[in-house]
Amino acid sequence: DGGITQSPKYLFRKEGQNVTLSCEQNLNHDAMYWYRQDPGQGLRLIYYSQIVNDFQKGDIAEGYSVSREKKESFPLTVTSAQKNPTAFYLCASSILGRHYGYTFGSGTRLTVV
Amino acid sequence: GQQLNQSPQSMFIQEGEDVSMNCTSSSIFNTWLWYKQDPGEGPVLLIALYKAGELTSNGRLTAQFGITRKDSFLNISASIPSDVGIYFCAGQSYFRTGANNLFFGTGTRLTVIP
Repeated sequence: DGGITQSPKYLFRKEGQNVTLSCEQNLNHDAMYWYRQDPGQGLRLIYYSQIVNDFQKGDIAEGYSVSREKKESFPLTVTSAQKNPTAFYLCASSILGRHYGYTFGSGTRLTVV
Repeated sequence: GQQLNQSPQSMFIQEGEDVSMNCTSSSIFNTWLWYKQDPGEGPVLLIALYKAGELTSNGRLTAQFGITRKDSFLNISASIPSDVGIYFCAGQSYFRTGANNLFFGTGTRLTVIP
């Protein structure tokens, strides 16, 4: 079945360490997105990518980095520069030129101690 | 980025009651979508609306695309415990080409008391 896979589901890291969250899709979608969700809050866009080797900053890109070397993959690195990294991270994808919304992964909960 | 105004922010209801929530925007959208997020999971699409005035049902869920194209409503009838979660509205615009053309509401957190 096609879908988006985020791994791991839970991630613990020490303060000051970089950490990379994985996102893979087999839907053949063009665009991919990373969102951050804090407890009881809505979705805030971190980065998005329309095409391989190209990506754009969202509303809260500081302290994060991404790459898009393959259409299927869009990993997110949370760097030590991110002041408050503990959150729930969601990856999504969409087809360009269609208006069917986004398909989301099941999320990664990152806890920094 | 733009966020849509969604209300209410949270609801506590008894099992069996009906639920209504709505979403408004200052911008016109061509597509309205409603997602549900279970605790600890990603949002899942419930209903998509593509035409002003459209009324669409999915089981106990009914959603409407407002005539002005600036609002949408979601109703849940006869709520059950598994309806618990956060409901997000989203508007998508044809006028924004490329990616990042979907804007989300702030969410309605639903609690169903058995």
